[in-house]
Amino acid sequence: DAGITQSPRHKVTETGTPVTLRCHQTENHRYMYWYRQDPGHGLRLIHYSYGVKDTDKGEVSDGYSVSRSKTEDFLLTLESATSSQTSVYFCAITWDRGTGELFFGEGSRLTVL
Amino acid sequence: GQQVMQIPQYQHVQEGEDFTTYCNSSTTLSNIQWYKQRPGGHPVFLIQLVKSGEVKKQKRLTFQFGEAKKNSSLHITATQTTDVGTYFCAGQGGTSYGKLTFGQGTILTVHP
Repeated sequence: DAGITQSPRHKVTETGTPVTLRCHQTENHRYMYWYRQDPGHGLRLIHYSYGVKDTDKGEVSDGYSVSRSKTEDFLLTLESATSSQTSVYFCAITWDRGTGELFFGEGSRLTVL
Repeated sequence: GQQVMQIPQYQHVQEGEDFTTYCNSSTTLSNIQWYKQRPGGHPVFLIQLVKSGEVKKQKRLTFQFGEAKKNSSLHITATQTTDVGTYFCAGQGGTSYGKLTFGQGTILTVHP
């Protein structure tokens, strides 16, 4: 158990509304990631963080922003949600001195109507 | 950018049959990882392969990494209903720590 909690676990929202997903970890991991999962696409990296206020874009970052003002929280924001952002979002961590394997949270299912 | 293709997308087997899923990367990888996701769950790390030609076993699961470090396979011998789920390969290139490129996944169904 990597001590990752995602919230909310389920959310339904309307097109054009802002949405923030939260990833909270309790073990002081430095590296955190946001992935989205869609049928036929596997998991795709949205944004990642290598420490407080140190974030960068992944493969599918358009329409998303992130913030990491403290080690334990990594926030993913959809400024104006679109139907194409309907997905399951997974937060993940890696061990600071590991070999890069990911440990995922339980996921947040977002539906944009 | 780096792409990882995984086949087949679906596999239905009878309990006791073998199962294999294959991954192929467009670029040479520093390592490849395998994950399993149970229905409704989150991906769980299974194993990492690093060396060219590496073969690792976990009970009935055999993982291989190709000589050119561009392809990999997962073979399950004598499937059980507990093997049901989606199996993903994920490639890591260069020094991109934790930034994995996932295959599309193979959904395995095991009929009792």
